[in-house]
Amino acid sequence: EIVMTQSPTTLSVSPGERATLSCRASQSVNSNLAWYQQKPGQAPRLLIHGASTRATGIPARFSGSGSGTEFTLTISSLQSEDFAVYYCQQYNYWPSYTFGQGTKLEIK
Amino acid sequence: QVQLQESGPGLMKPSETLSLACTVSGGSISPYFWSWIRQPPGKGLEFIGYIFYSGSTNYNPSLQSRVTISIDTAKNQVSLKLSSVTAADTAVYFCARTSGHYFDSWGQGTLVTVSS
Repeated sequence: EIVMTQSPTTLSVSPGERATLSCRASQSVNSNLAWYQQKPGQAPRLLIHGASTRATGIPARFSGSGSGTEFTLTISSLQSEDFAVYYCQQYNYWPSYTFGQGTKLEIK
Repeated sequence: QVQLQESGPGLMKPSETLSLACTVSGGSISPYFWSWIRQPPGKGLEFIGYIFYSGSTNYNPSLQSRVTISIDTAKNQVSLKLSSVTAADTAVYFCARTSGHYFDSWGQGTLVTVSS
C-alpha cells in the first residue's frame, strides 16, 4: 500500500499570509495526486488534481506543485474561509487509492 | 450540478450488515465511477470501493471480504453493504463521484454508529 504522509500535522498561519502544506508518497505516484479541503461537519471538497490543476471554481490563490514523491499545496493569501483540514490523495495505484492523514490549518 | 445524498440507519448493532444508499440527482450516473469513502470520528479518510456505471467493481483489499457495492441506473442510486460490522466500522460514510480517479463531487455523508 502506498503511504501518504502529510506535514505538518497542524499549521498556524495569520490571515493574509501564505500557507505551505506538504505531502510525501512512500513510492512515486507521478503526478497522480489530488488535494481536498474539509471543513467541520462537511464533506471534503476537491481543490487540485493532477498535482497542479485547480478543480472547477477553485480560487487562484490555491496552487499545487510537485511530482514523484514530494508535493506541495500553497495558499497564497489566506482568507478566513480557508482554515480547514487538507488531505492529499494518490490515485497512481488505482484502485488502491490512499489518503494522507491530513493537515489542520488554523488561525494564528 | 450533480448532487449526492446518502441515506441509511444511523445506529447498528455489532455483527449486523450495514446498508447505505446514495441517490444521484442533477446529473447522469454514466459514464462515471461511484465510490464509497468513510471517515471515523476525528480521523482521516479511507477508500472503501467503487463501482462503474456498467457494474464492474473494485474494493479496498482490507474490506473486500465484507463489502458489496451495487448500482441501479434506473433509480440513479448506488448502494453499499458492509457485513459483520464492529465498533471499528463506526464512521461517516460518504459517496463520491469519481472522475479520473479523484473524487470531484461528494455527498454530505451519513454517520453510522455501531454499538451494542
